[in-house]
Amino acid sequence: AQKITQTQPGMFVQEKEAVTLDCTYDTSDPSYGLFWYKQPSSGEMIFLIYQGSYDQQNATEGRYSLNFQKARKSANLVISASQLGDSAMYFCAMRENTNAGKSTFGDGTTLTVKP
Amino acid sequence: EAQVTQNPRYLITVTGKKLTVTCSQNMNHEYMSWYRQDPGLGLRQIYYSMNVEVTDKGDVPEGYKVSRKEKRNFPLILESPSPNQTSLYFCATSGSNTEAFFGQGTRLTVV
Repeated sequence: AQKITQTQPGMFVQEKEAVTLDCTYDTSDPSYGLFWYKQPSSGEMIFLIYQGSYDQQNATEGRYSLNFQKARKSANLVISASQLGDSAMYFCAMRENTNAGKSTFGDGTTLTVKP
Repeated sequence: EAQVTQNPRYLITVTGKKLTVTCSQNMNHEYMSWYRQDPGLGLRQIYYSMNVEVTDKGDVPEGYKVSRKEKRNFPLILESPSPNQTSLYFCATSGSNTEAFFGQGTRLTVV
């Protein structure tokens, strides 16, 4: 069964600094996708970044990058040059390609950016 | 514009009174899902659908029903709501290799 673990319920970072949000996963499927979503206080879910299990390079999207370590089953989100607007809840999620309808989310990490 | 539309956004109801939360998408996506979000528990998948007339249970299906008669619509039905179903509900859609697109959420309170 697929499982996502986010061990940091809350994180603080100083504005303009980088921060890493941890995510580990468990699956027996060799083909899967990993996703990060942001949920600001307004409640909507915003897609940030995607990493496929067979992707050779770590995914990057602007200030977001994914530190993918397949052997360790970790997919940490790195946010560079934090901004006040980055304060939000962040969710890591996984979808196995053999059953692409099924998705599992972690419990989330609340990030607070300090001015 | 790509959209996932949930209705209603807010709903207060009484125990046992059947209700339906609608979800509609205009992206022609095969996959649709319902999640509930509770504090400290992240998003938990209730049901999902791989295509028309194909649905399957997620992690917390008890007390919920769904149907997928058309590709664009995926309603969530609570036949006899109970207070433990008070939650924030999200509908989401995705293609075969895309991220999930979420609706705005429905905040349900069952008293």
